[in-house]
Amino acid sequence: NAGVTQTPKFQVLKTGQSMTLQCAQDMNHEYMSWYRQDPGMGLRLIHYSVGAGITDQGEVPNGYNVSRSTTEDFPLRLLSAAPSQTSVYFCASSYWNEQFFGPGTRLTVL
Amino acid sequence: KQEVTQIPAALSVPEGENLVLNCSFTDSAIYNLQWFRQDPGKGLTSLLLIQSSQREQTSGRLNASLDKSSGRSTLYIAASQPGDSATYLCAVAGNFGNEKLTFGTGTRLTIIP
Repeated sequence: NAGVTQTPKFQVLKTGQSMTLQCAQDMNHEYMSWYRQDPGMGLRLIHYSVGAGITDQGEVPNGYNVSRSTTEDFPLRLLSAAPSQTSVYFCASSYWNEQFFGPGTRLTVL
Repeated sequence: KQEVTQIPAALSVPEGENLVLNCSFTDSAIYNLQWFRQDPGKGLTSLLLIQSSQREQTSGRLNASLDKSSGRSTLYIAASQPGDSATYLCAVAGNFGNEKLTFGTGTRLTIIP
């Protein structure tokens, strides 16, 4: 199993550009989620999904969209990037218990 | 709103010592608590998970305890090694399931050879 995979590993955007961060898991987990990690603030939940077709907002959802068309994939979309979205983004998946995290995407918005 | 605190933010100890990392949370209605390790520039690696009905979990030199009523968990590392140097994160899942975690800001541990 590859576990949780994320692409790209690094990305630089200009303010106003859009992009999609990809996340995939091959463990047949129902739950998937996106977190951002900023210095001194820990990881904060952006959006999460409890199954295909079901998504909900986390603590910091503004500026991000998600969709879950399959169990395996949970992409995170930035519609109009802002410097405040410079961060490291982690995708995670779980079934009932332990959460498994991807390696992260480091995003810089200029 | 659940809040998770980890103190101290940083800790340095000589190799071979036993040490304890602390995690506290404000809402005792949790589903489980998970300890993670994060190396610089890397993702999170799960170390131990404690269900809300459990008091402790052990894996090798690591032992995690949970006291729900007081809102506290500890991670005990025995016979520390330089390879244990990393940031340790505590996270709690709310009472309705594991789809959302609330994280502490972590303790950065340095083991001095």
